[in-house]
Amino acid sequence: EAGVVQSPRYKIIEKKQPVAFWCNPISGHNTLYWYLQNLGQGPELLIRYENEEAVDDSQLPKDRFSAERLKGVDSTLKIQPAELGDSAVYLCASSLRGGSSYNEQFFGPGTRLTVL
Amino acid sequence: AQTVTQSQPEMSVQEAETVTLSCTYDTSESDYYLFWYKQPPSRQMILVIRQEAYKQQNATENRFSVNFQKAAKSFSLKISDSQLGDAAMYFCAYNPLSGYALNFGKGTSLLVTP
Repeated sequence: EAGVVQSPRYKIIEKKQPVAFWCNPISGHNTLYWYLQNLGQGPELLIRYENEEAVDDSQLPKDRFSAERLKGVDSTLKIQPAELGDSAVYLCASSLRGGSSYNEQFFGPGTRLTVL
Repeated sequence: AQTVTQSQPEMSVQEAETVTLSCTYDTSESDYYLFWYKQPPSRQMILVIRQEAYKQQNATENRFSVNFQKAAKSFSLKISDSQLGDAAMYFCAYNPLSGYALNFGKGTSLLVTP
């Protein structure tokens, strides 16, 4: 069974440019998460989807970040415009469903973003 | 808000020896899950072991075991017979039953020496 797929693995952009990250969760997983991992830190949730609905986006900086999960399968996270402080690893994870008593999340390999 | 604290930024262990990584957390919930994740340089976050708060028995997965002290809000990971492939960042994480985001600590970098 394929795991969580993310692309690209690496992205280098100039500040003020837009950037997008793509995530394809494990087949059948209703819940999808985007985490931000700064250097030397643990991941922090940006947004969580249940199917196509964003149910927790309180930590998403909405002035420059946006996300979508059309059709409740794959998802795209966008930053426009990017700032130097956005340099980090962006992790995508998925789980079978929200609300279950055991909530194991499976992670993708992440996208490392460098903003110059 | 729940917080997870890992007080050891770096740890070192010799191959075949045992090492213990520490984690404390703060929560007002009575039921929750605790996890240890391993993140090698490839960045792939891999689940090592999980513990349900309502279970008194400490979880064990092969060479990995935990010491869960609910009253002290402590959740340490013991790695026995350490192998070179165990070298990675290890993150302690908390997951409340009522919510779904994982709250991670800052991680502990484990170095395994031959």
